[in-house]
Amino acid sequence: SQQGEEDPQALSIQEGENATMNCSYKTSINNLQWYRQNSGRGLVHLILIRSNEREKHSGRLRVTLDTSKKSSSLLITASRAADTASYFCATKWNQGGKLIFGQGTELSVKP
Amino acid sequence: GAVVSQHPSRVICKSGTSVKIECRSLDFQATTMFWYRQFPKQSLMLMATSNEGSKATYEQGVEKDKFLINHASLTLSTLTVTSAHPEDSSFYICSARLRTSGGAGSYNEQFFGPGTRLTVL
Repeated sequence: SQQGEEDPQALSIQEGENATMNCSYKTSINNLQWYRQNSGRGLVHLILIRSNEREKHSGRLRVTLDTSKKSSSLLITASRAADTASYFCATKWNQGGKLIFGQGTELSVKP
Repeated sequence: GAVVSQHPSRVICKSGTSVKIECRSLDFQATTMFWYRQFPKQSLMLMATSNEGSKATYEQGVEKDKFLINHASLTLSTLTVTSAHPEDSSFYICSARLRTSGGAGSYNEQFFGPGTRLTVL
């Protein structure tokens, strides 16, 4: 399987704390994307980082990419209860448009 | 952003029946749509890539005769689960690919539908 791995599988924090999720993948990539999924719902695209980028910011989100280690991290700063969701990384293969999703991290932010 | 809808949002059917799920891109044309399946507490697994006007490309291990995909127009792809069984119960999610403007910074962004919860009794 080409699916990547994410850790932790589950993360529980208090509101205001930072949440860090990590993603590892196996193949060379064009870009890596992070998605959020609220329980029983579809996916919401959060941020995309290209293979030639090392860090990217969007609001309270910070994504890093280390292609030498084939890993990425998503940092959510000053978390809110509304951030409670599952977070998935997804990599796009060099060939075609297929997205390969990681196993996901289930984040719970307690008020 | 672009909107993708799925219908129905949830369906309960008896074992042996067939179920059709629709995926529509509402405000853009999608030459390519993707179908994913997600079991509880698990990640999304790509089932097939659907290209308008041509046969779908199935991932390894996905039975093409069981999961029929039709992409008849640039805004609609359908997934039919034939002779459904309880093990087919899952959350089915589609996505539609939108090509952004060309150039070095362009990429094919995918927009996801809200998913269809299938329960086979």
